[in-house]
Amino acid sequence: GENVEQHPSTLSVQEGDSAVIKCTYSDSASNYFPWYKQELGKRPQLIIDIRSNVGEKKDQRIAVTLNKTAKHFSLHITETQPEDSAVYFCAALNQAGTALIFGKGTTLSVSS
Amino acid sequence: DAGVTQSPTHLIKTRGQHVTLRCSPISGHKSVSWYQQVLGQGPQFIFQYYEKEERGRGNFPDRFSARQFPNYSSELNVNALLLGDSALYLCASSFLHYEQYFGPGTRLTVT
Repeated sequence: GENVEQHPSTLSVQEGDSAVIKCTYSDSASNYFPWYKQELGKRPQLIIDIRSNVGEKKDQRIAVTLNKTAKHFSLHITETQPEDSAVYFCAALNQAGTALIFGKGTTLSVSS
Repeated sequence: DAGVTQSPTHLIKTRGQHVTLRCSPISGHKSVSWYQQVLGQGPQFIFQYYEKEERGRGNFPDRFSARQFPNYSSELNVNALLLGDSALYLCASSFLHYEQYFGPGTRLTVT
């Protein structure tokens, strides 16, 4: 079935460094790829998304890149800050357009 | 502008009981999706409803059911609760099926 693989599972960086999280998906018909940030005890928060008709999207310190041929997409966070510490989930919309298929998450820790 | 709301916040039930969880979407959003999030994992899709009709169903047993009302709010029902049903149940609202915004969730504990 449809599957999204995410790595690394944990990532520790120093404040000011960049962080990169990578995901691969199995359904070549997927055309929408959001990223969510979930702080402890809180709801997943949509932080950025990309559709299959573009290769890159940027919003201030965060950017997402998509390689449809290789079926992978990545989240890039520059100039990390302690408040970026959270669990990040990637997801892909299934072929039917009805369900987001999530990765298992990456726990990002930014130390000052 | 209110975001997605869910009730109750927390719930403790005994095995075999029934539970109803509620969700109100963002104003103007017609689609509601339900996800189950087990501790340490990503959300797993249960149902999607659009304009009061079921549009998609995940790999969950028939003990799980849902419906959407004319005002686009939604209920998730789970019968014959099992210990393994303990999880955070998230509702997501969207205008179509992109840009899904999550509610705070209902934490269900089955003892």
